[in-house]
Amino acid sequence: GENVEQHPSTLSVQEGDSAVIKCTYSDSASNYFPWYKQELGKGPQLIIDIRSNVGEKKDQRIAVTLNKTAKHFSLHITETQPEDSAVYFCAASPLPMDTGRRALTFGSGTRLQVQP
Amino acid sequence: DAGVTQSPTHLIKTRGQHVTLRCSPISGHKSVSWYQQVLGQGPQFIFQYYEKEERGRGNFPDRFSARQFPNYSSELNVNALLLGDSALYLCASSRGLLNQPQHFGDGTRLSIL
Repeated sequence: GENVEQHPSTLSVQEGDSAVIKCTYSDSASNYFPWYKQELGKGPQLIIDIRSNVGEKKDQRIAVTLNKTAKHFSLHITETQPEDSAVYFCAASPLPMDTGRRALTFGSGTRLQVQP
Repeated sequence: DAGVTQSPTHLIKTRGQHVTLRCSPISGHKSVSWYQQVLGQGPQFIFQYYEKEERGRGNFPDRFSARQFPNYSSELNVNALLLGDSALYLCASSRGLLNQPQHFGDGTRLSIL
């Protein structure tokens, strides 16, 4: 099955700096890669996703890059703000999902702290 | 539009008991998935349902079961609760199997004493 590794586990940056979180995956059949932000006491919130036919996607201060050859993808947050502080999870899944395949496989999370 | 709603928000049970967790998907979403999130870890896939049929199952024991109703809401049932079942149980909905993304509710926090 799929295995997703995420680094770093914790990340502290100054307000206004950039933050980068990296993930690697093992299953070459994976072709959908979402990123979620989870605040304390809340469920994961989808912030951006990318499919395997695209190498990069941007949404305002957030961008995701994908290298299918190397099987890794990264989240980039620019001009960080204190409200960006949360736990971020990467995930991977095959699309479409065959019967019996797992759905989203998550990384172990990165706790991002933005210092004002 | 309302997001994914889950009930109850918190639940305390003792070992050996049974629990039922409920989920209502976003309007128009026909697929519901269940995940278990242990403190400090990423969510782990338990089940996916689409059009009332099980379409995927993760590596969980048979004590875990689920179903989806004609209105696309879903229940997760766990029998013979163990201490290790203490976790946040998350429900996610999506429009269909082929059409990500999955949107999560805020979960049910289950504590086993």
